[in-house]
Amino acid sequence: EVQLVQSGAEVKKPGESLKISCKGSGYSFTSYWIGWVRQMPGKGLEWMGIIYPGDSDTRYSPSFQGQVTISADKSISTAYLQWSSLKASDTAMYYCARHSLDSSGPQYYFDYWGQGTLVTVSS
Amino acid sequence: EIVMTQSPATLSVSPGERATLSCRASQSVSSNLAWYQQKPGQAPRLLIYGASTRATGIPARFSGSGSGTEFTLTISSLQSEDFAVYYCQQYNNWPSLTFGGGTKVEIK
Repeated sequence: EVQLVQSGAEVKKPGESLKISCKGSGYSFTSYWIGWVRQMPGKGLEWMGIIYPGDSDTRYSPSFQGQVTISADKSISTAYLQWSSLKASDTAMYYCARHSLDSSGPQYYFDYWGQGTLVTVSS
Repeated sequence: EIVMTQSPATLSVSPGERATLSCRASQSVSSNLAWYQQKPGQAPRLLIYGASTRATGIPARFSGSGSGTEFTLTISSLQSEDFAVYYCQQYNNWPSLTFGGGTKVEIK
């Protein structure tokens, strides 16, 4: 069974750093792109960026480039999303999700999602 | 960036009735369009990909259609578990992926 299990909720102060995780299981972690999606309170879904754990190829949405860092450790089948200096506006639910893959290659919709990590940034 | 516009923002439907949700792209995305369902407190769930292919385990009452810039998600007979928010997502312009703003389907 494919599973993406995310780390638990975080409460941080502005200016603090944070790294949240997403552990994949039940499939070949290095063969599928993993993406991160933000959902601010009461709002819609925003694509942040993606990583290919096989070679750490990473792409960012222009809206999030320079604001976050996406990484992966394929030895433990885990992807990460990190901030060096949080802002109150980073308060949101963050989801990791896996791109699909078929015989013709990667398919860039998300077929499996993590349960989400709620990040609250408040002084 | 391709902008995805969903309408209406809220759709009030009675159980057993048909629901029709629209998604428009600011430029052609071919058939590279997916639909997701999100219930309160849950992660999104893939319903449709390739504009019209149901994902594994999705009931036949969900159907998708369209290509280019105009897409439709139809729920033929709404069940209680279908009241949720629905999002479209284009993946034609990878790696720049974009979601629509969502349509909330609520009980009338």
